[in-house]
Amino acid sequence: DAGVTQSPTHLIKTRGQHVTLRCSPISGHKSVSWYQQVLGQGPQFIFQYYEKEERGRGNFPDRFSARQFPNYSSELNVNALLLGDSALYLCASSLRLADQETQYFGPGTRLLVL
Amino acid sequence: LAKTTQPISMDSYEGQEVNITCSHNNIATNDYITWYQQFPSQGPRFIIQGYKTKVTNEVASLFIPADRKSSTLSLPRVSLSDTAVYYCLVRGSGGYQKVTFGTGTKLQVIP
Repeated sequence: DAGVTQSPTHLIKTRGQHVTLRCSPISGHKSVSWYQQVLGQGPQFIFQYYEKEERGRGNFPDRFSARQFPNYSSELNVNALLLGDSALYLCASSLRLADQETQYFGPGTRLLVL
Repeated sequence: LAKTTQPISMDSYEGQEVNITCSHNNIATNDYITWYQQFPSQGPRFIIQGYKTKVTNEVASLFIPADRKSSTLSLPRVSLSDTAVYYCLVRGSGGYQKVTFGTGTKLQVIP
């Protein structure tokens, strides 16, 4: 079975631009979460979606937005990119929204903002 | 929120058993303890999860004492490919929304 897939794998943008990152969860998983991981730090929670609805939001500015589609895939959008947005963006999926549900991570998208 | 504390780094020789301890003094009754492994520029990989006592799977064991204020991830006979960052997470009500991964433990396996 395929795991969580993300595209693109790498991306270079300039300040002020907009970026869209995509994620396909494990087949059958209905919850998708997004994380930002800056070099040398652990992943930081951005959003969680379940059944196409936002179920959680981390401490990130409104420049960050996301959505989940009927097939449970998801997009993360970041507007007005800043140099500090350079990071590995991770998508994770889980079967349900239950607290003890294990999340499985994708390989990530490496974003570099120049 | 239960904060976790782990050693920043550890070194081990190939073939040895490695134990990484995580402290979570404020763990709540309904919190689970989860460990992830992460290689550079890859997503974290789920290793093991537990609530109390001992959990074992094909890659690791997780020991949780009765007071649940700490947990120990045990990796039997490590190899060079086990060199990675290991994260201990505590999560309960709210799931991963209230999880901060922290900086993890950088395990370096030496030949």
